[in-house]
Amino acid sequence: EAGVAQSPRYKIIEKRQSVAFWCNPISGHATLYWYQQILGQGPKLLIQFQNNGVVDDSQLPKDRFSAERLKGVDSTLKIQPAKLEDSAVYLCASGQTGYGTQYFGPGTRLLVL
Amino acid sequence: GQNIDQPTEMTATEGAIVQINCTYQTSGFNGLFWYQQHAGEAPTFLSYNVLDGLEEKGRFSSFLSRSKGYSYLLLKELQMKDSASYLCAVRDDTGGFKTIFGAGTRLFVKA
Repeated sequence: EAGVAQSPRYKIIEKRQSVAFWCNPISGHATLYWYQQILGQGPKLLIQFQNNGVVDDSQLPKDRFSAERLKGVDSTLKIQPAKLEDSAVYLCASGQTGYGTQYFGPGTRLLVL
Repeated sequence: GQNIDQPTEMTATEGAIVQINCTYQTSGFNGLFWYQQHAGEAPTFLSYNVLDGLEEKGRFSSFLSRSKGYSYLLLKELQMKDSASYLCAVRDDTGGFKTIFGAGTRLFVKA
């Protein structure tokens, strides 16, 4: 069974630029999560989708971050414009349900200069 | 509010046993997860407890006491490859399903 796929794996941009990340969850998983993990910290949930609907986006900085999962399968997370403090690993995870085990992708490492 | 506490770092010797503690405060507790995360890699699932008691899975065991808001992960027969961060994560059903991660405990296994 293929795991969660993410791209790109690494991205370096300058502040005020835009960037987009892509995630393809495990086939059949209804729930998709985007996390931000700053070095030395645990993952922080940005947004949780159930199929193509948003379950929780309370910690998503909506003035600059947006995410969509239009067909209930893959998802994109966008940052526009980026700030220095956005430098982090962005992890995508999926699960069969919203309350079970989460399976993480390899992450995208973002560096904002 | 929600709060999860774990020690920042621990060091143990190869072949030994180590216990990583996690305390939590949450209003809608409905399960606790442990994940392992090697440096530069994604977290991977280790265990899940929703009822009080000990769950054993090979060299790894996880314990939960809901009344005390306390869990621990027990690693036996430590191997060098166990050097990693161990993340305690709590499922909170207040206002919907949400999993909150602790900052993680970095475990160093020395020869």
